[in-house]
Formats: sequence, C-alpha cells, structure tokens
Amino acid sequence: GAGVSQSPSNKVTEKGKDVELRCDPISGHTALYWYRQSLGQGLEFLIYFQGNSAPDKSGLPSDRFSAERTGGSVSTLTIQRTQQEDSAVYLCASSSDRGFEKLFFGSGTQLSVL
Amino acid sequence: DQQVKQNSPSLSVQEGRISILNCDYTNSMFDYFLWYKKYPAEGPTFLISISSIKDKNEDGRFTVFLNKSAKHLSLHIVPSQPGDSAVYFCAASVGSNYKLTFGKGTLLTVNP
Repeated sequence: GAGVSQSPSNKVTEKGKDVELRCDPISGHTALYWYRQSLGQGLEFLIYFQGNSAPDKSGLPSDRFSAERTGGSVSTLTIQRTQQEDSAVYLCASSSDRGFEKLFFGSGTQLSVL
Repeated sequence: DQQVKQNSPSLSVQEGRISILNCDYTNSMFDYFLWYKKYPAEGPTFLISISSIKDKNEDGRFTVFLNKSAKHLSLHIVPSQPGDSAVYFCAASVGSNYKLTFGKGTLLTVNP
C-alpha cells in the first residue's frame, strides 16, 4: 500500500478482554516498530522487528503484551486481559533500513479499556 | 525518569513570525536527535534531524540547533505558516539504534 496501515482505528473493550491490533507496513520494509502514546505522554517504544524476528522486546510493559510478524510483513500486537492503563494510541512504523529519516508511521489505533 | 523533555505543552505564534520549539535531554549518551510533526488523526512524520557532531542543520524554513553542553536543542520555523500548526515531537537515540526516546510534544498553533 501507499503507507503504513493500522486496524482498527479505534477499539473500545472491557477490562479483562483480549485485543489484537494489526499493522500492515509499507511493502518491502524490513523493519517494523510498535510504539504507544498514553494520554499526555510521549511515544513509548514497545518492540522492534527485523524481518520476522524481534531482537528487542524490552519495551513491552508486561507479559500480557506480545507481538508477532509473519511473512516479513503484517504484524499483530496482542494485549491479553486488558487493563485500564493499557488505554493509549498504539502506533506502528516501518522502514526500509535503520535510518530514522525513513521511519514511516501509521495513524495508530486508539485503544480504550473501560 | 523522562530523558527527553519538552517543557512547553503549547505555543502560539502569528503567521510570518518565527516559531521556536525547545527540547532538553538528560541522557548524555544520546547523539542523534530528530523532530517529528504530527497532525490530528495521523501518524508522526519525520521533519528534520541532527547528529551530535553538528550544532546546526537547516532544511528550508526549518532549522535545528543543538547545544550539547546544555543538553538542549531547538527547532526554528521561519516564517511560520498556518499549515505548520501541529504537534511537534522531539526524539533522541544512541547512535543509529532503532529505539527512539520521545518527548511529550508541543502543540504549535500558527494564527493567520
């Protein structure tokens, strides 16, 4: 596609439910990143993929969070047993290499946990 | 501990004047700095960057200044245009590390 696509754009869920957030990167981009922005905060790094491998998962807040990437393309971020503090905008980005100038962000998924 | 700080949540300027957005950092290991711009309901887009080996980088109306001794950088927009109205994020990294540390952002409003 023309840009990084994320779905859904908005997700409202009840506390304790599981959610899946999807990211479709720019075709050919080998690197994929997940960030999140909580209300009033800056963007917080979650995880980085190079191809299908995730060499750095250090930003994942807890073991309720997991992510995978298949076929070197689409990535899914899963949050199990959601909590209210998980409410945030989850942003995905991709790049063709490690140059930050080439980092392209999607428009994000607004997650609201009631 | 917030390693990248943007102490002004918002800034309002008149069209045609200079906009100056400020950013401070605490981690002396940071050596690469970027500014991103974000419109509502869109993802951030890269604007300009600077390496710690430089103290200034210019791209059209946008100039970033880096003061390493003060651990401070600023983004100057001259002249400011209404279309520049957006949230501006300062970000930093250690080398070409893939992990960016962002500030909280500054909402710039340019009034016609």
